[in-house]
Amino acid sequence: GAGVSQSPSNKVTEKGKDVELRCDPISGHTALYWYRQRLGQGLEFLIYFQGNSAPDKSGLPSDRFSAERTGESVSTLTIQRTQQEDSAVYLCATGPKRQTFTFGSGTRLTVV
Amino acid sequence: GESVGLHLPTLSVQEGDNSIINCAYSNSASDYFIWYKQESGKGPQFIIDIRSNMDKRQGQRVTVLLNKTVKHLSLQIAATQPGDSAVYFCAETGGATNKLIFGTGTLLAVQP
Repeated sequence: GAGVSQSPSNKVTEKGKDVELRCDPISGHTALYWYRQRLGQGLEFLIYFQGNSAPDKSGLPSDRFSAERTGESVSTLTIQRTQQEDSAVYLCATGPKRQTFTFGSGTRLTVV
Repeated sequence: GESVGLHLPTLSVQEGDNSIINCAYSNSASDYFIWYKQESGKGPQFIIDIRSNMDKRQGQRVTVLLNKTVKHLSLQIAATQPGDSAVYFCAETGGATNKLIFGTGTLLAVQP
C-alpha cells in the first residue's frame, strides 16, 4: 500500500481481555517499530524489528505484551489480560532503513 | 519500556512570528536526529533530519540546529502559520542499537 496501515483504528475492550493490534508496513520496509503514546504524552518505545534479525524487545513493559513479525510482512502486537493502564494509542512505524520512518495513524485502545 | 514524555510544554506564538522549539537528547552516541510533527488524531510526520557531522540544516521554512557539546537540538519555523499548530517531537538514533527514541514533545499553538 501507499502508507503504513494499522487496524483496528479504535478498540474498546473489557479489562482482562486479550487484544491484538495489526500493522501492515509499506512494501519493502525492513524496519518496523511499535510505540505507545498515552494521552498528552510522548512516544514510548516498545519493540523494534529489523529484517530477520532478533527483535529488540527491551521496551515491552511487561510479559503481557508480545509482538511478532515474519520477515518483512505484517506485525501483530498482542496485549494479554488488558488493564486500564494499557489505554493508549499504539503507533507503528516502518522504514526501508533505520533512518527513514513512516508512521501509521495508530490504534486507539480503551480498556474499560 | 523506555519512558519518554511528561506533561507537554506549550509554546504559543503569533501567526507570522518565528518559532523555536528546543529538545535535549540523551545519548551522546546518537548520530542521527529527526524532528516530527504530530497533528491531533494522526501519527507523527517527518519534518527534517540532521546527522551528527552537521550542526545546521535548512528545509522549507524550517531549520534544525544541533549542538553536540550540550546535546541540544532545536527546530526553527519561520513565519509560523496556523497549520503549524501541532505537537513537535525530536527523535534520536544510533549507538549500539538502532532504536529511535523520542524526546518530550512540545505543543505549538499558533494564535491568529
